[in-house]
Amino acid sequence: DIQMTQSPSSLSASVGDRVTITCRASQSISSYLNWYQQKPGKAPKLLIYAASSLQSGVPSRFSGSGSGTDFTLTIGSLQPEDFATYYCQQSYSTPFTFGPGTKVDIK
Amino acid sequence: QVQLQESGPGLVKPSDTLSLTCTVSGGSISSYYLSWIRQPPGKGLEWIGGFYYSGSTKYNPSLKSRVTISVDTSKNQFSLKLSSVTAADTAVYYCARGEVRMDVWGKGTTVTVSS
Repeated sequence: DIQMTQSPSSLSASVGDRVTITCRASQSISSYLNWYQQKPGKAPKLLIYAASSLQSGVPSRFSGSGSGTDFTLTIGSLQPEDFATYYCQQSYSTPFTFGPGTKVDIK
Repeated sequence: QVQLQESGPGLVKPSDTLSLTCTVSGGSISSYYLSWIRQPPGKGLEWIGGFYYSGSTKYNPSLKSRVTISVDTSKNQFSLKLSSVTAADTAVYYCARGEVRMDVWGKGTTVTVSS
């Protein structure tokens, strides 16, 4: 199985801050990397697919980059509705695996 | 617009079989790759398995011996069966569309394993 790690596991930030979350795969996954946002009691929501493509309807302050084993999700200017947990996920090979999540909360 | 809705018993006894259904609306089940994913309380996401109607079904090796995923095209539903459940199988269970990217998710259904 491909193992996914994320850092940090949690962070505190203020509205308007630029936030960066890192995801690393245990082997190369090319650009088969997705990012999801999950709020308490809700299903995950796809934000970024194929490492850097913005899902339809997702605000442009979200962006993704990377390939191979190292990936980054950036929130350009944190908004109140962005406080949530973020997961990366590889779709390079089954079993599809998720990172442990990064919780973004209010400073 | 495709929508997914999970359903099934909220309480299952230890050693029994958990059975859930995902109903697909707004599209044909035969057109999509569909997965089951679960999330134990306070924990992360685990892919259980997925299938294409016209292709093979794949399972997470960690659960493969206990999992069966099947489809009922007449009802536009696909189902999950997980046998010999324990408390460790207590989780919110989601169905989702997509292989390379999971772009549509159901709201999830909570299953508790307890006597």
